[in-house]
Amino acid sequence: AQSVTQLGSHVSVSEGALVLLRCNYSSSVPPYLFWYVQYPNQGLQLLLKYTSAATLVKGINGFEAEFKKSETSFHLTKPSAHMSDAAEYFCAVSEGTNAGKSTFGDGTTLTVKP
Amino acid sequence: DAGVTQSPTHLIKTRGQQVTLRCSPKSGHDTVSWYQQALGQGPQFIFQYYEEEERQRGNFPDRFSGHQFPNYSSELNVNALLLGDSALYLCASSRQGLGETQYFGPGTRLLVL
Repeated sequence: AQSVTQLGSHVSVSEGALVLLRCNYSSSVPPYLFWYVQYPNQGLQLLLKYTSAATLVKGINGFEAEFKKSETSFHLTKPSAHMSDAAEYFCAVSEGTNAGKSTFGDGTTLTVKP
Repeated sequence: DAGVTQSPTHLIKTRGQQVTLRCSPKSGHDTVSWYQQALGQGPQFIFQYYEEEERQRGNFPDRFSGHQFPNYSSELNVNALLLGDSALYLCASSRQGLGETQYFGPGTRLLVL
């Protein structure tokens, strides 16, 4: 069985500040890990994914995440927040190669203050 | 190139009714997964279709069923609707293969009264 815990349902940062969204996972097999962003009334858009290659993964819009096996974590960061980053962010884990069967966390709402 | 499309965008039903939601995958994709996203929660995996067969299923009752057509499009059917079925239903498509990314549609918002 696999699970995802996103620490902090709401995160608020000032524009230009560091963004850090936390994700811890549990998986009985080597995981594939994903971060998605969801804007209001829209579907999910993939930000980045870890598929057992480099542990530091770079994604779109300046986001990156680091896979730390010893900590079972996959935290999402961005050096400088922009107003357009305000959205809901979801961390997800899949069993091996089947990204289509993913387990999602409950999400973190990011607010960016001017 | 159209992405994943879903219809309808919104739907209102009453308890006990049946509903069918539709999904067209991204061009070149052969696998469709369905998710239920309740308000304030992350998506929950319902099931996945590949080669017109249900390949994987999440923890959902038999009231939830699906179908995949030869053109890879898919339907999600929910019978005997309950108030708790109110949610955003997301379809995602991908290609079978190592680490293939899934792409999500905009979803169908279902309200059960």
